[in-house]
Amino acid sequence: SQQGEEDPQALSIQEGENATMNCSYKTSINNLQWYRQNSGRGLVHLILIRSNEREKHSGRLRVTLDTSKKSSSLLITASRAADTASYFCATDGGAQKLVFGQGTRLTINP
Amino acid sequence: TAGITQAPTSQILAAGRSMTLRCTQDMRHNAMYWYRQDLGLGLRLIHYSNTAGTTGKGEVPDGYSVSRANTDDFPLTLASAVPSQTSVYFCASRGQGAGELFFGEGSRLTVL
Repeated sequence: SQQGEEDPQALSIQEGENATMNCSYKTSINNLQWYRQNSGRGLVHLILIRSNEREKHSGRLRVTLDTSKKSSSLLITASRAADTASYFCATDGGAQKLVFGQGTRLTINP
Repeated sequence: TAGITQAPTSQILAAGRSMTLRCTQDMRHNAMYWYRQDLGLGLRLIHYSNTAGTTGKGEVPDGYSVSRANTDDFPLTLASAVPSQTSVYFCASRGQGAGELFFGEGSRLTVL
């Protein structure tokens, strides 16, 4: 069974707008990670937030984590056409295993 | 920099045949993983290895086997392929104490 569930499953916005994706999970975690996957390619790590952190930034990315609600969000500001991809959250509960959600497919329209 | 190399990139296989997907990493990472990705189901962990000489079962291990004879290589074998094993397979690795996974570009397998 999947640990993380992303919402929405698909998101289409205009270039320049902000994109927000959400992830919910079920059990306690050590950290939560976000990955990006371009069509036909492997996943690429974007950002990691530890369970004792509430917010983290990296360039145009902002990630929040609410462990009381078991949820996280990924915000991409000032979106570009090149941001078109699928985005996955992954939870790390220890034991060296990451469990991935089903992903959000983001389309940036020029 | 190579990172993780998977082979083959794509393969069509008759049901009942055996197949080994190869995965090699040059980062000296301890942990390696095999995931399958199916539309609507995301990535599911098949098998993993925390270090050379050890392996473990993931979420969907049935029909697959792995070995970890050394640090660099982590092959995934389908002993007798079935159509439900049609999928895109990703190998990944992670360094000791690190959080992020590094992924290969995937192997697309079609079982007919």
